[in-house]
Amino acid sequence: EIVLTQSPATLSLSPGERATLSCRASQSVNRYLAWYQQKPGQAPRLLIYDASNRATGIPARFSGSGSGRDFTLTISSLEPEDFAVYYCQQRFNWPTFGQGTRLEIK
Amino acid sequence: EVQLLESGGGLVQPGGSLRLSCAASGFTFSNYAMSWVRQAPGKGLEWVSTFSSDGYTTFDADSVKGRSIISRDNSKMAVYLQMNSVRGEDTAVYFCARNWEEFDPWGQGTLVTVSS
Repeated sequence: EIVLTQSPATLSLSPGERATLSCRASQSVNRYLAWYQQKPGQAPRLLIYDASNRATGIPARFSGSGSGRDFTLTISSLEPEDFAVYYCQQRFNWPTFGQGTRLEIK
Repeated sequence: EVQLLESGGGLVQPGGSLRLSCAASGFTFSNYAMSWVRQAPGKGLEWVSTFSSDGYTTFDADSVKGRSIISRDNSKMAVYLQMNSVRGEDTAVYFCARNWEEFDPWGQGTLVTVSS
């Protein structure tokens, strides 16, 4: 099983700031990594697939980068609606998810 | 608009069985793999099962292998998850999702509680 480790566990920032979330895989997953956003009481929403491709309807302030074992989700300028939990997921092998990063308002 | 709507959750006794349903609309159902992903209360996401678009191949996580059966009915645009011998650790919100390379979109989920 490929283990994904996300950091930090919690990120406290203010609207307008830049957010950088990390995901490290226990082995290379090539570029087969996705990012999701989940708000309380809601289903996850796909943001990024194949490391850097934005899903349909996702604002340009969300971007993904990385390959191999290390990946980053960047939110260039935080909007109030961006405060949520973010998960990474790999599809190189059986799907697994990271434990999540909680992005909270400072 | 693509929509997925789960049903069938509720309270189940340990050792019992559950059957979840997911009704899909807004896309050509038979062209896509369909998956179940669960989330224990306050915890992260765990892939459970996938039924491929070829109509016969299924994949299960080790945590449910031998206890769960995923099935689909393309004529009804529905996917199902039958789980037997349920345990406390099966307590979770179960989400239906399209695909499994990336899960997109997701239904709103149905809560399964395993308790006596």
